[in-house]
Amino acid sequence: DAGVTQSPTHLIKTRGQQVTLRCSPKSGHDTVSWYQQALGQGPQFIFQYYEEEERQRGNFPDRFSGHQFPNYSSELNVNALLLGDSALYLCASSSSTDTQYFGPGTRLTVL
Amino acid sequence: AQSVAQPEDQVNVAEGNPLTVKCTYSVSGNPYLFWYVQYPNRGLQFLLKYITGDNLVKGSYGFEAEFNKSQTSFHLKKPSALVSDSALYFCAVRDINNNDMRFGAGTRLTVKP
Repeated sequence: DAGVTQSPTHLIKTRGQQVTLRCSPKSGHDTVSWYQQALGQGPQFIFQYYEEEERQRGNFPDRFSGHQFPNYSSELNVNALLLGDSALYLCASSSSTDTQYFGPGTRLTVL
Repeated sequence: AQSVAQPEDQVNVAEGNPLTVKCTYSVSGNPYLFWYVQYPNRGLQFLLKYITGDNLVKGSYGFEAEFNKSQTSFHLKKPSALVSDSALYFCAVRDINNNDMRFGAGTRLTVKP
């Protein structure tokens, strides 16, 4: 049984560009949450998707947006990239509000 | 809003000795509490959770945690540490009515042979 998968593993972008990160949830899970983990810090909640709708959002600007597809996979989009967006982006899946299981993350570097 | 504090940036223990990684929380309602472990360049791996019931929770790899409501603490423990337990440990809290899970800053555990 595959766990949570994320792509790509690493990504390098320049300031002002846009990026899309992808996540496939663990089999049987219908909820996807996205987190940003800056170097030396704990993960910070960006938003959560359930039934293709954004169910809750953390304290992140509108440059961060997402989508959930009918097969429960999800995308995180970040527009107008800033140097401060450099981080490990983690996707977590769960069955509704149950325990969240994390993917390996996407390391985004903004130059 | 909920929050978590991990008062120690680093914990060092000798292999075979007991280990404790501390966590205190703040939440307005009933808490859901979690411990995750992160190895270098990897995502977070679930260890254990407290939802309700018995205050002593047993998890993966011999870890356990004790929920203490009066002290608002959820310390992670293991009776006998292994070198392979060396990693970054995160405590997290979620209010029962909130999907926003808050993480502590993490504690780096080093187990020396």
